[in-house]
Amino acid sequence: GAGVSQTPSNKVTEKGKYVELRCDPISGHTALYWYRQSLGQGPEFLIYFQGTGAADDSGLPNDRFFAVRPEGSVSTLKIQRTERGDSAVYLCASSLNMLAGVPDTQYFGPGTRLTVL
Amino acid sequence: AQSVTQLDSHVSVSEGTPVLLRCNYSSSYSPSLFWYVQHPNKGLQLLLKYTSAATLVKGINGFEAEFKKSETSFHLTKPSAHMSDAAEYFCVVSASSRGYQKVTFGTGTKLQVIP
Repeated sequence: GAGVSQTPSNKVTEKGKYVELRCDPISGHTALYWYRQSLGQGPEFLIYFQGTGAADDSGLPNDRFFAVRPEGSVSTLKIQRTERGDSAVYLCASSLNMLAGVPDTQYFGPGTRLTVL
Repeated sequence: AQSVTQLDSHVSVSEGTPVLLRCNYSSSYSPSLFWYVQHPNKGLQLLLKYTSAATLVKGINGFEAEFKKSETSFHLTKPSAHMSDAAEYFCVVSASSRGYQKVTFGTGTKLQVIP
């Protein structure tokens, strides 16, 4: 079946612009995660959705970052007034569910490489 | 609170020799532990996971890891390295807290395989 897809694969923007990054999770997966991976670093947690609601947004670095998942499937990560420090690969992952408190396997998309000039 | 420490940022082995990638964790809850691999310009792929069943976990491509609670470790091993194993490896701790999942990645270990 289809895996997690992310669009665009690459995004180049200018400082101060607004960008949207899209994630299509695996069909039926209720949990969705966004991560940011800077060069030479491990993925850094941003936000986690369970269904339509953001269960944990403690990783969002500031209020320029926002994410939505209005119908419990596709999610969009939105970054306002982009800064050069926002340049990174943004990863999305989905998982089926959390069964009886046991974390489920996350399946990752290929990422969106964001470059802010 | 939880954290993951990957003790080596780079590991270099000769083809055909054993691989050991070290990972230590801390967690306030009973965690699940994962190893993911990331090849250049590719997405993260799950190698194996531990979820409180058998402490010795076998994964894909001949990798395995042993959960040692007393040492808070989850080291990744492979008896014989192959050139295709060259990649970056991430240890991940995940625990359920207040009904949702908290996930923390390590900083990664880059494995180089020398022919």
